[in-house]
Amino acid sequence: QSALTQPASVSASPGQSITISCTGTSSDVGGYDYVSWYQQHPGKAPKLMIHDVSNRPSGVSDRFSGSKSGNTASLTISGLQAEDEADYYCCSYTSSTLPNVFGTGTKVTVL
Amino acid sequence: QITLKESGPTLVKPTQTLTLTCTFSGFSLSTGGVAVAWIRQPPGKALEWLALIYWDDDKRYSPSLKSRLTISKDTSKNQVVLTMTNMDPVDTATYYCAHRLGGGRVGYWGQGTLVTVSS
Repeated sequence: QSALTQPASVSASPGQSITISCTGTSSDVGGYDYVSWYQQHPGKAPKLMIHDVSNRPSGVSDRFSGSKSGNTASLTISGLQAEDEADYYCCSYTSSTLPNVFGTGTKVTVL
Repeated sequence: QITLKESGPTLVKPTQTLTLTCTFSGFSLSTGGVAVAWIRQPPGKALEWLALIYWDDDKRYSPSLKSRLTISKDTSKNQVVLTMTNMDPVDTATYYCAHRLGGGRVGYWGQGTLVTVSS
């Protein structure tokens, strides 16, 4: 059960938009509409930002959006703010015995 | 309000068995569709799923760690216990328990507990 592939880091200036990719296979990302995204600040537990590919939980800013095409899911953060600087992890349902797998994680830096 | 909290030793010696307890409130692990997950994160590294236990007592384990893990629940106490045998320094990590819904959505996490494996 291999981790989903994410870019190690993404950076941009405040106000800009960024997109983080999450690449898997037809056995995970491509096979199910169950991709979620988590934000993790240093020393804190992860926080759910997107679930079921593109749904935002109550209380999450609409600057965060999710999408999927084929075996790749994406998280877009628009109007980047200093508080968005964190690590981001994707997660997908999979056909494996343990039915979920995380991505490798992406560090977002706000310049 | 859903809360979860991990408890257990912060330091274990190599080859010892680690036992972690997740005590939760705000939901019942006998409700259909609900699961509790154990997830870990080595310092500076990515999140890793370890094990899941569903409301119907279905248990799932990471294929690479299956031989070392056991997950169980006590619904009356609102607790889930994870044991990991033959601990090694590479198992040093923050261990989280979490409330998982269908598809793998994890909406609620414990604060995490750092377990260090060292002699």
